[in-house]
Amino acid sequence: AQRVTQPEKLLSVFKGAPVELKCNYSYSGSPELFWYVQYSRQRLQLLLRHISRESIKGFTADLNKGETSFHLKKPFAQEEDSAMYYCALSGGSGGSNYKLTFGKGTLLTVNP
Amino acid sequence: IAGITQAPTSQILAAGRRMTLRCTQDMRHNAMYWYRQDLGLGLRLIHYSNTAGTTGKGEVPDGYSVSRANTDDFPLTLASAVPSQTSVYFCASSTTSGMNEQFFGPGTRLTVL
Repeated sequence: AQRVTQPEKLLSVFKGAPVELKCNYSYSGSPELFWYVQYSRQRLQLLLRHISRESIKGFTADLNKGETSFHLKKPFAQEEDSAMYYCALSGGSGGSNYKLTFGKGTLLTVNP
Repeated sequence: IAGITQAPTSQILAAGRRMTLRCTQDMRHNAMYWYRQDLGLGLRLIHYSNTAGTTGKGEVPDGYSVSRANTDDFPLTLASAVPSQTSVYFCASSTTSGMNEQFFGPGTRLTVL
């Protein structure tokens, strides 16, 4: 069974401070990991995925298979980063592995 | 239509009533999904469909049914609504080519009294 754990329901930081949203996963195969973001009154949208190894809006996330983690980081938080963040796992392409398993989400608040 | 749409935007429903939430996408995605979003529980998969004509059960399928008569539409039906089905419902779609990015609709806020 696959599982995604986001240990922090709420995270509050000040503008300009570093931020790290934690995500740990459990999966027996080679997973694909994603971060989705939901800004206030907007639909969920993909922020980044581990296979792209990209930085989006200053956020990065590195897949650490040894620690089974995919933490989301940003060195200097901005007020517009305030949103709900979901970590998600897919078992990869093929068969029934298109489904995503989501964590419970972390609500990030960036204070001025 | 651009992307994925849902209807209605919100609904208040008496317990015991039947309700169908609509979802339509114009991206020709093979796979579609229904999630419910609850505070503290995150997003939980209700049902999914990998291609037109097939459906599967997700994590919390009880009390819900779906159909996938064509590529574009994926309605979710509550046969007899109960208060525990009060939630925000999101429809999503994706390709089945391996990239797995899911595109989400705007959501339907459902209240069952």
